[in-house]
Amino acid sequence: DAGVTQSPTHLIKTRGQQVTLRCSPKSGHDTVSWYQQALGQGPQFIFQYYEEEERQRGNFPDRFSGHQFPNYSSELNVNALLLGDSALYLCASSPRNRDRGTGNTIYFGEGSWLTVV
Amino acid sequence: DAKTTQPPSMDCAEGRAANLPCNHSTISGNEYVYWYRQIHSQGPQYIIHGLKNNETNEMASLIITEDRKSSTLILPHATLRDTAVYYCIVRGSSASKIIFGSGTRLSIRP
Repeated sequence: DAGVTQSPTHLIKTRGQQVTLRCSPKSGHDTVSWYQQALGQGPQFIFQYYEEEERQRGNFPDRFSGHQFPNYSSELNVNALLLGDSALYLCASSPRNRDRGTGNTIYFGEGSWLTVV
Repeated sequence: DAKTTQPPSMDCAEGRAANLPCNHSTISGNEYVYWYRQIHSQGPQYIIHGLKNNETNEMASLIITEDRKSSTLILPHATLRDTAVYYCIVRGSSASKIIFGSGTRLSIRP
């Protein structure tokens, strides 16, 4: 059973450029969330997708956008990159609240390290 | 989601049990306690979760107090590979995101 997979694992971009990160959820999961983790800090929620629509959003500017495909995979796009966007970007997946009785465990991928120079 | 309080750091001798405490005094009746850990430069790894009963799996045990206001994660025989930041999180089963606190940085000494 494949877990959450992300690509690429590392990338370097220049200020002002755009970047796309990709995520495939764990088998059986249809909800995907993205998190940003700056060095030395805990992950911060960016947004969540299910049924191909953004459902919740954290405190991130519109430069951060996403997409979910019919196969539940997802992309995170960041435009006009700033030095401060350098971080580990984490994708997480979960089933959509189908079993309230046992909890709704969220699983994370290994992340994509983005360095903006 | 309820807020959690964890010690910023702890250490434990290799081979001994590591007991990581977490306070969640404002937890509500339908909220679960989840534990994750994050080894340097990797994504957070799910460890265990529980509602009110104690839980055990191949990685750890979770002890939740009767009033549910605190819990303890137990790693029964700590190894150097258990060195990580451990996050205690409280969230409802329908909550679809995680709000991370600062976690506990666990160091295992040889």
